[in-house]
Amino acid sequence: DQQVKQNSPSLSVQEGRISILNCDYTNSMFDYFLWYKKYPAEGPTFLISISSIKDKNEDGRFTVFLNKSAKHLSLHIVPSQPGDSAVYFCAASAHGAGSYQLTFGKGTKLSVIP
Amino acid sequence: EAQVTQNPRYLITVTGKKLTVTCSQNMNHEYMSWYRQDPGLGLRQIYYSMNVEVTDKGDVPEGYKVSRKEKRNFPLILESPSPNQTSLYFCASSLIREGRNEQFFGPGTRLTVL
Repeated sequence: DQQVKQNSPSLSVQEGRISILNCDYTNSMFDYFLWYKKYPAEGPTFLISISSIKDKNEDGRFTVFLNKSAKHLSLHIVPSQPGDSAVYFCAASAHGAGSYQLTFGKGTKLSVIP
Repeated sequence: EAQVTQNPRYLITVTGKKLTVTCSQNMNHEYMSWYRQDPGLGLRQIYYSMNVEVTDKGDVPEGYKVSRKEKRNFPLILESPSPNQTSLYFCASSLIREGRNEQFFGPGTRLTVL
């Protein structure tokens, strides 16, 4: 049973517009969430994270929103740039339960069109 | 330069021929992990290690072994590879800090088992 779900396999956005990538989770023990970006032929790179004690975390063009009651988080990229074209993975862990294991979603491929 | 290195980057082998994929990190990280990435399945954890001589199974450990004799190295061993182990493998490492676990990933090893 998938505990972290990214229901959109792909997303296309015009350059300069907002990209919104969504992620849902089912495990209520998850208390720390991360987004990774992956280019072809490279390993995933950490992008941004959020603890469950917050509902928003911002880093430059990237903002992650967490809605605990809905078990939903989203990554906003504003403005989107062609270099943002990559596969984005959502991940979660249960630090409060003593686990540092990351559970990943299947990824969303973002294409930013110039 | 802080990094996670994996060798080899590409490997084609035959069923039953033992192989080892090496992983090394130079960041003095306690936590190390192996993942496999398969189309439509995202990243799945194989094994992880919280520190030297401490290893544990992830979500898909069958057919794999690991060891952690030194802090910097975490090799992945396939004693008798089978075609269903054809995949893209990533090693990752991180510090263990309360409430955070941003993992740094290696560049990946593409394994084909014939």
